[in-house]
Amino acid sequence: DTEVTQTPKHLVMGMTNKKSLKCEQHMGHRAMYWYKQKAKKPPELMFVYSYEKLSINESVPSRFSPECPNSSLLNLHLHALQPEDSALYLCASSLDSNSFYEQYFGPGTRLTVT
Amino acid sequence: QQQVKQSPQSLIVQKGGISIINCAYENTAFDYFPWYQQFPGKGPALLIAIRPDVSEKKEGRFTISFNKSAKQFSLHIMDSQPGDSATYFCAASIGQTGANNLFFGTGTRLTVIP
Repeated sequence: DTEVTQTPKHLVMGMTNKKSLKCEQHMGHRAMYWYKQKAKKPPELMFVYSYEKLSINESVPSRFSPECPNSSLLNLHLHALQPEDSALYLCASSLDSNSFYEQYFGPGTRLTVT
Repeated sequence: QQQVKQSPQSLIVQKGGISIINCAYENTAFDYFPWYQQFPGKGPALLIAIRPDVSEKKEGRFTISFNKSAKQFSLHIMDSQPGDSATYFCAASIGQTGANNLFFGTGTRLTVIP
């Protein structure tokens, strides 16, 4: 299985809602990543988890809260988002943090904040 | 500051033609140069990658040419097909863990006309 799955595919939420994005991989990878991608732009790194521990937080606002319950699962909890947070949220994984250059991306969750 | 400069922004090629996308960098510490292909509504997929000790790498119709002295690298797609229509991102990374070390170019939207 060489796939990273993400749910939901699409999400529309109001600014007062609380929602979560989910990412799963069964490749035995021990590094997992959250990216934000705006239209016609490259992915921007948000968070990196290495062996289930948060290793990088790229100064992301606290309304985004990551969680890594186990080595296969990565969540992104969303609360009090702003319309400018609307974007494609991508999850990725790599064998470990030393192999960050070879990342496997999921299909993304298209988030719209109204 | 954009660590990796990519051009052109968009490219239209006839079926069977050669698509060429160029990238340039300044940081000589970069030691791995992957290319990602992204179809609309999908996450980026690692396409091909090269290390600076090699001047060319070919995988099927895709070739990376690398010019270390000029700090430039390019992707050539031979016999371009409509199915190659996608956005292509070059990237560069530094072999150092614990930091955000995968830098993406701004992307090239390729359209292959039948």
